[in-house]
Amino acid sequence: EPEVTQTPSHQVTQMGQEVILRCVPISNHLYFYWYRQILGQKVEFLVSFYNNEISEKSEIFDDQFSVERPDGSNFTLKIRSTKLEDSAMYFCASSYVRSPRAGYTFGSGTRLTVV
Amino acid sequence: ILNVEQSPQSLHVQEGDSTNFTCSFPSSNFYALHWYRWETAKSPEALFVMTLNGDEKKKGRISATLNTKEGYSYLYIKGSQPEDSATYLCASEGGSQGNLIFGKGTKLSVKP
Repeated sequence: EPEVTQTPSHQVTQMGQEVILRCVPISNHLYFYWYRQILGQKVEFLVSFYNNEISEKSEIFDDQFSVERPDGSNFTLKIRSTKLEDSAMYFCASSYVRSPRAGYTFGSGTRLTVV
Repeated sequence: ILNVEQSPQSLHVQEGDSTNFTCSFPSSNFYALHWYRWETAKSPEALFVMTLNGDEKKKGRISATLNTKEGYSYLYIKGSQPEDSATYLCASEGGSQGNLIFGKGTKLSVKP
């Protein structure tokens, strides 16, 4: 069964450093998403991406964040200058159509720890 | 802004017990309700997507119901097994944005 792959599974970074979280969505999917879960809190929507541009973003997704699909395969989330409060599990997801009710596949997540 | 709530936060049952938990969501601007099963270090696994009031779905020993008028969904597990231990997340999809608003999850532990 096709999978969404995320790397690395765990990343530790110093406050103020830039991090790039990588995702390989399912190959025929067209819509891509990033979500995150801070420990003990709800999974939160960050951003959706379609046709090489952001479709929607949440209030969390400020200027420190950016997304890119550099090569038609990878989908990356960059945090420019990490803060302690960015520590969370970051999930990538992809779907073939816009509504996830038709099929929405999550990766297993990258646990980001900012120290 | 949608607010999705799940209860209880955690649940400990014995193997063989049947159990259920609740997801409540705003009934206005409702589009679909999703249930996911999430084990640590794995991807959240889609269980059900429900859209219509009165929907009932079943997958093995797990089933779910949906009431869109009052804004709640129940997830039932019949004859719990240790491998059912996981966090069960529900998420509401409002409108056609395609984004999910999640609850905090119910963490189920099934003791042998």
